[in-house]
Amino acid sequence: KQEVTQIPAALSVPEGENLVLNCSFTDSAIYNLQWFRQDPGKGLTSLLLIQSSQREQTSGRLNASLDKSSGRSTLYIAASQPGDSATYLCAVPYSSASKIIFGSGTRLSIRP
Amino acid sequence: GAVVSQHPSRVICKSGTSVKIECRSLDFQATTMFWYRQFPKQSLMLMATSNEGSKATYEQGVEKDKFLINHASLTLSTLTVTSAHPEDSSFYICSADGTSGGINEQFFGPGTRLTVL
Repeated sequence: KQEVTQIPAALSVPEGENLVLNCSFTDSAIYNLQWFRQDPGKGLTSLLLIQSSQREQTSGRLNASLDKSSGRSTLYIAASQPGDSATYLCAVPYSSASKIIFGSGTRLSIRP
Repeated sequence: GAVVSQHPSRVICKSGTSVKIECRSLDFQATTMFWYRQFPKQSLMLMATSNEGSKATYEQGVEKDKFLINHASLTLSTLTVTSAHPEDSSFYICSADGTSGGINEQFFGPGTRLTVL
């Protein structure tokens, strides 16, 4: 059974710092891995999707890496801003048309 | 492209009533849609997989007679919460299986917040 864990559960850092969010999964047979952002009371915003054959994806100040063999992914946020404050979720599906299993999320707070 | 909508975005109802939530893929067809539930300060949990033209597949612990799912077309799935009770109050999010840039991906709706009084 696939389990997805995110550490830390909450993180508070001052504005401008670079930070890393961690995601681990127990079954390496994943089709892809996706990072989402969720603002309070809102839906999901897809940030980055890494295919199983890829090692990393970048979008602006965000960089996500994937190491299937160790069952880990990291989301790196450079030069954090107060607007980055949100909950970040990682998720893995088993296949293209299969259920997605979400991690418990990291609640990020960037202090001005 | 690949936009999923949900209606309503917010609903408040009395205990014992039924509530229908719609999930639409606006610019693509989705054979498979998924329904998730999210309680406060918790992550999303899959409730059921909705397949066009066939019965939904429910996750363990989800009552299929309470959460009725209909996927009658390739762009619409509905979730009906029957005889809703306060413990059903939650954030319900749907997703649809689609393709972006040649890559299969699930696209998420904005969610529906249900409050049962």
